[in-house]
Amino acid sequence: NAGVTQTPKFQVLKTGQSMTLQCAQDMNHNSMYWYRQDPGMGLRLIYYSASEGTTDKGEVPNGYNVSRLNKREFSLRLESAAPSQTSVYFCASTITPGDRGFLGNQPQHFGDGTRLSIL
Amino acid sequence: QKEVEQDPGPLSVPEGAIVSLNCTYSNSAFQYFMWYRQYSRKGPELLMYTYSSGNKEDGRFTAQVDKSSKYISLFIRDSQPSDSATYLCAMSRLLSGGYNKLIFGAGTRLAVHP
Repeated sequence: NAGVTQTPKFQVLKTGQSMTLQCAQDMNHNSMYWYRQDPGMGLRLIYYSASEGTTDKGEVPNGYNVSRLNKREFSLRLESAAPSQTSVYFCASTITPGDRGFLGNQPQHFGDGTRLSIL
Repeated sequence: QKEVEQDPGPLSVPEGAIVSLNCTYSNSAFQYFMWYRQYSRKGPELLMYTYSSGNKEDGRFTAQVDKSSKYISLFIRDSQPSDSATYLCAMSRLLSGGYNKLIFGAGTRLAVHP
Protein backbone atom coordinates (compact mmCIF):
# COMPACT_ATOMS: atom_id res chain seq x y z
CA ASN A 1 0.00 0.00 0.00
CA ALA A 2 2.20 2.85 -1.31
CA GLY A 3 0.03 5.92 -0.50
CA VAL A 4 1.87 9.02 -1.72
CA THR A 5 5.17 8.46 -3.54
CA GLN A 6 7.68 11.24 -4.27
CA THR A 7 10.73 11.18 -6.51
CA PRO A 8 13.57 11.94 -6.24
CA LYS A 9 14.30 11.71 -2.51
CA PHE A 10 17.36 13.98 -2.73
CA GLN A 11 18.66 16.46 -5.31
CA VAL A 12 21.43 19.04 -5.50
CA LEU A 13 21.11 21.78 -8.12
CA LYS A 14 23.11 24.79 -9.18
CA THR A 15 21.49 28.22 -9.24
CA GLY A 16 19.59 28.68 -12.49
CA GLN A 17 19.08 24.98 -13.22
CA SER A 18 15.60 23.58 -13.63
CA MET A 19 14.03 20.39 -12.37
CA THR A 20 10.70 18.68 -11.82
CA LEU A 21 9.64 16.97 -8.61
CA GLN A 22 7.27 14.07 -9.16
CA CYS A 23 4.38 12.93 -6.96
CA ALA A 24 1.91 10.09 -7.39
CA GLN A 25 -0.87 8.79 -5.13
CA ASP A 26 -2.73 5.49 -5.39
CA MET A 27 -5.67 6.32 -3.10
CA ASN A 28 -7.92 7.74 -5.84
CA HIS A 29 -7.94 11.15 -4.13
CA ASN A 30 -9.12 14.16 -6.07
CA SER A 31 -7.13 16.82 -4.21
CA MET A 32 -3.34 17.05 -4.21
CA TYR A 33 -0.95 19.58 -2.69
CA TRP A 34 2.67 20.69 -2.69
CA TYR A 35 4.21 22.06 0.52
CA ARG A 36 7.67 23.18 1.48
CA GLN A 37 9.08 22.77 4.99
CA ASP A 38 11.74 25.10 6.35
CA PRO A 39 13.19 25.24 9.88
CA GLY A 40 11.00 27.33 12.19
CA MET A 41 8.42 27.94 9.46
CA GLY A 42 6.27 24.82 9.53
CA LEU A 43 4.80 23.58 6.27
CA ARG A 44 3.72 26.22 3.74
CA LEU A 45 1.47 25.54 0.79
CA ILE A 46 2.98 26.19 -2.65
CA TYR A 47 0.23 25.00 -5.01
CA TYR A 48 -2.77 22.75 -4.82
CA SER A 49 -5.06 20.94 -7.25
CA ALA A 50 -8.64 20.39 -6.12
CA SER A 51 -9.27 18.01 -9.01
CA GLU A 52 -7.77 16.77 -12.25
CA GLY A 53 -7.36 19.68 -14.67
CA THR A 54 -7.36 22.43 -12.04
CA THR A 55 -4.52 24.07 -10.11
CA ASP A 56 -4.39 27.05 -7.76
CA LYS A 57 -1.73 29.06 -5.98
CA GLY A 58 -1.09 28.63 -2.28
CA GLU A 59 0.86 30.86 0.12
CA VAL A 60 4.29 30.77 -1.58
CA PRO A 61 3.88 30.06 -5.33
CA ASN A 62 6.56 32.38 -6.74
CA GLY A 63 9.29 30.54 -8.64
CA TYR A 64 7.24 27.36 -9.07
CA ASN A 65 4.88 25.83 -11.60
CA VAL A 66 2.74 22.73 -11.34
CA SER A 67 1.06 20.22 -13.61
CA ARG A 68 -1.78 17.90 -12.69
CA LEU A 69 -1.02 15.25 -15.29
CA ASN A 70 -3.92 12.98 -14.34
CA LYS A 71 -5.78 12.03 -11.18
CA ARG A 72 -2.76 10.18 -9.78
CA GLU A 73 0.09 12.54 -10.57
CA PHE A 74 0.92 16.11 -9.57
CA SER A 75 4.35 17.52 -10.45
CA LEU A 76 6.19 20.62 -9.22
CA ARG A 77 8.66 22.41 -11.48
CA LEU A 78 11.40 24.86 -10.62
CA GLU A 79 12.21 26.72 -13.84
CA SER A 80 15.29 28.59 -12.58
CA ALA A 81 16.36 27.37 -9.15
CA ALA A 82 17.46 29.88 -6.51
CA PRO A 83 19.22 29.24 -3.17
CA SER A 84 16.06 30.46 -1.36
CA GLN A 85 14.30 27.37 -2.74
CA THR A 86 16.53 25.06 -0.73
CA SER A 87 13.99 23.16 1.33
CA VAL A 88 12.24 19.88 1.91
CA TYR A 89 9.26 19.49 -0.41
CA PHE A 90 6.23 17.39 0.51
CA CYS A 91 3.38 16.25 -1.66
CA ALA A 92 0.03 15.43 -0.05
CA SER A 93 -3.42 14.25 -1.06
CA THR A 94 -6.87 14.23 0.48
CA ILE A 95 -10.46 13.26 -0.17
CA THR A 96 -12.63 16.14 -1.40
CA PRO A 97 -16.25 16.69 -0.29
CA GLY A 98 -18.46 14.72 -2.66
CA ASP A 99 -15.91 11.96 -3.12
CA ARG A 100 -16.97 8.46 -2.14
CA GLY A 101 -15.75 7.89 1.40
CA PHE A 102 -15.77 11.55 2.40
CA LEU A 103 -16.68 11.68 6.10
CA GLY A 104 -15.72 15.24 6.89
CA ASN A 105 -12.78 17.51 6.32
CA GLN A 106 -10.36 14.66 5.72
CA PRO A 107 -6.79 15.49 6.68
CA GLN A 108 -4.02 15.07 4.24
CA HIS A 109 -1.75 12.10 3.52
CA PHE A 110 1.89 12.98 2.93
CA GLY A 111 4.79 11.51 1.01
CA ASP A 112 8.24 11.23 2.57
CA GLY A 113 9.58 14.36 0.91
CA THR A 114 12.23 15.50 -1.56
CA ARG A 115 15.28 17.16 -0.01
CA LEU A 116 16.46 19.84 -2.41
CA SER A 117 19.67 21.85 -2.08
CA ILE A 118 20.46 24.70 -4.43
CA LEU A 119 24.02 25.97 -4.49
CA GLN B 1 1.88 37.52 13.99
CA LYS B 2 1.63 33.91 12.78
CA GLU B 3 -1.85 32.40 12.58
CA VAL B 4 -0.63 29.37 14.53
CA GLU B 5 2.02 29.52 17.25
CA GLN B 6 3.86 26.46 18.55
CA ASP B 7 6.85 26.26 20.88
CA PRO B 8 9.66 24.55 18.92
CA GLY B 9 11.21 22.95 21.99
CA PRO B 10 13.16 20.73 22.16
CA LEU B 11 11.31 18.98 24.94
CA SER B 12 13.19 16.20 26.72
CA VAL B 13 11.36 13.87 29.12
CA PRO B 14 12.08 10.52 30.80
CA GLU B 15 10.28 7.40 29.65
CA GLY B 16 6.88 7.05 31.30
CA ALA B 17 6.31 10.79 31.71
CA ILE B 18 3.14 12.60 30.66
CA VAL B 19 3.89 14.98 27.81
CA SER B 20 1.88 18.11 27.06
CA LEU B 21 2.23 19.79 23.66
CA ASN B 22 0.38 23.00 22.86
CA CYS B 23 -0.55 25.43 20.11
CA THR B 24 -2.35 28.73 20.08
CA TYR B 25 -4.09 30.28 17.10
CA SER B 26 -5.61 33.59 16.13
CA ASN B 27 -8.22 32.80 13.43
CA SER B 28 -11.59 31.91 14.97
CA ALA B 29 -12.73 30.48 11.60
CA PHE B 30 -10.70 27.32 12.09
CA GLN B 31 -13.01 24.34 12.46
CA TYR B 32 -10.79 21.28 12.30
CA PHE B 33 -7.77 20.57 14.43
CA MET B 34 -5.08 18.01 13.77
CA TRP B 35 -1.88 16.73 15.29
CA TYR B 36 0.76 15.17 13.07
CA ARG B 37 3.82 13.21 14.10
CA GLN B 38 6.92 13.49 11.96
CA TYR B 39 9.89 11.20 12.38
CA SER B 40 13.28 12.32 11.13
CA ARG B 41 13.49 12.29 7.31
CA LYS B 42 9.86 11.20 6.95
CA GLY B 43 6.63 12.89 5.98
CA PRO B 44 4.07 13.94 8.60
CA GLU B 45 1.57 11.27 9.62
CA LEU B 46 -1.82 12.04 11.09
CA LEU B 47 -2.06 11.29 14.80
CA MET B 48 -5.26 12.92 16.00
CA TYR B 49 -8.12 14.75 14.31
CA THR B 50 -10.89 16.68 16.07
CA TYR B 51 -13.73 18.92 15.08
CA SER B 52 -14.88 21.73 17.42
CA SER B 53 -14.12 21.95 21.13
CA GLY B 54 -13.66 19.11 23.59
CA ASN B 55 -11.45 16.09 24.16
CA LYS B 56 -10.69 13.10 22.00
CA GLU B 57 -8.79 10.08 23.23
CA ASP B 58 -6.96 7.43 21.24
CA GLY B 59 -4.88 5.02 23.27
CA ARG B 60 -2.13 6.95 25.03
CA PHE B 61 -2.96 10.15 23.15
CA THR B 62 -5.54 12.79 24.09
CA ALA B 63 -6.28 15.85 21.97
CA GLN B 64 -7.97 18.82 23.59
CA VAL B 65 -9.47 21.85 21.85
CA ASP B 66 -10.56 25.03 23.63
CA LYS B 67 -12.02 27.27 20.95
CA SER B 68 -12.92 30.02 23.42
CA SER B 69 -9.24 30.38 24.33
CA LYS B 70 -7.99 29.47 20.82
CA TYR B 71 -5.75 26.82 22.36
CA ILE B 72 -5.19 23.18 21.49
CA SER B 73 -3.20 20.52 23.32
CA LEU B 74 -1.92 17.01 22.77
CA PHE B 75 -1.23 14.84 25.82
CA ILE B 76 0.87 11.69 25.62
CA ARG B 77 0.59 9.32 28.58
CA ASP B 78 3.26 6.78 29.50
CA SER B 79 5.62 8.25 26.92
CA GLN B 80 7.96 5.84 25.12
CA PRO B 81 11.29 6.36 23.32
CA SER B 82 9.39 5.56 20.11
CA ASP B 83 7.37 8.76 20.68
CA SER B 84 10.53 10.79 20.01
CA ALA B 85 9.63 12.87 16.97
CA THR B 86 8.50 16.33 15.93
CA TYR B 87 4.83 17.03 16.60
CA LEU B 88 3.04 19.46 14.32
CA CYS B 89 -0.30 21.01 15.10
CA ALA B 90 -2.48 22.00 12.17
CA MET B 91 -5.85 23.57 11.79
CA SER B 92 -8.12 24.14 8.86
CA ARG B 93 -11.30 25.47 7.46
CA LEU B 94 -13.10 24.21 4.38
CA LEU B 95 -13.25 26.77 1.60
CA SER B 96 -15.63 26.76 -1.36
CA GLY B 97 -14.62 24.22 -3.99
CA GLY B 98 -13.60 21.69 -1.37
CA TYR B 99 -10.15 23.08 -0.72
CA ASN B 100 -8.88 21.98 2.67
CA LYS B 101 -6.82 25.01 3.77
CA LEU B 102 -4.41 23.74 6.38
CA ILE B 103 -2.23 26.02 8.48
CA PHE B 104 0.62 24.33 10.34
CA GLY B 105 2.51 25.20 13.47
CA ALA B 106 6.30 25.09 13.23
CA GLY B 107 6.46 21.84 15.22
CA THR B 108 7.74 20.82 18.67
CA ARG B 109 10.66 18.41 18.85
CA LEU B 110 10.17 15.77 21.56
CA ALA B 111 12.85 13.43 22.91
CA VAL B 112 11.85 10.63 25.30
CA HIS B 113 14.91 9.09 26.95
CA PRO B 114 14.98 5.62 28.56
